[in-house]
Amino acid sequence: DAGVIQSPRHEVTEMGQEVTLRCKPISGHNSLFWYRQTMMRGLELLIYFNNNVPIDDSGMPEDRFSAKMPNASFSTLKIQPSEPRDSAVYFCASSTVSYNEQFFGPGTRLTVL
Amino acid sequence: KNEVEQSPQNLTAQEGEFITINCSYSVGISALHWLQQHPGGGIVSLFMLSSGKKKHGRLIATINIQEKHSSLHITASHPRDSAVYICAVYGYGGSQGNLIFGKGTKLSVKP
Repeated sequence: DAGVIQSPRHEVTEMGQEVTLRCKPISGHNSLFWYRQTMMRGLELLIYFNNNVPIDDSGMPEDRFSAKMPNASFSTLKIQPSEPRDSAVYFCASSTVSYNEQFFGPGTRLTVL
Repeated sequence: KNEVEQSPQNLTAQEGEFITINCSYSVGISALHWLQQHPGGGIVSLFMLSSGKKKHGRLIATINIQEKHSSLHITASHPRDSAVYICAVYGYGGSQGNLIFGKGTKLSVKP
């Protein structure tokens, strides 16, 4: 298995632009998580899905952030409009079910200028 | 106070030394994760445990549910063990399924 796949690996954009991050979970995994990592705050959960349904989005910073999971093999995290404080590494992870071991993707390093 | 506390924050060791990283948590948990993050940024799950002890190669993880404490041990440390080690717990209550992370312990093993 290829593991969790994220794209792009690096993204540099200007303030105000829309950014879309993509994630393909491991086949057969029913839970998908989006995390953000910054130097100041470490790893934080943004949102997670069970069976394509968002379960908890309380970690999403504000309305500029949105996430979708249209099917079991694909999820997106969108930031519109982006701001410099959104600069971070965004990780996607998946597990067979919630509470099970999570497998992380390589992350997307986002820089908003 | 953070719900998950790790110590030490930074650790420097000589190759071959026995290393211990500690994790204490204040919430009831169903399971605890130890993660490793390499300098390149990738995160790898090392262990997931809810009781007792697990061993994988030179790595050993223990957990004491009553004391709300877990330790990660590395025997015969090697420079390739240099990484950030992160403790994370699945807590009860609140949102099911999400991990609460410690701040990480940065380990540097010198040759």
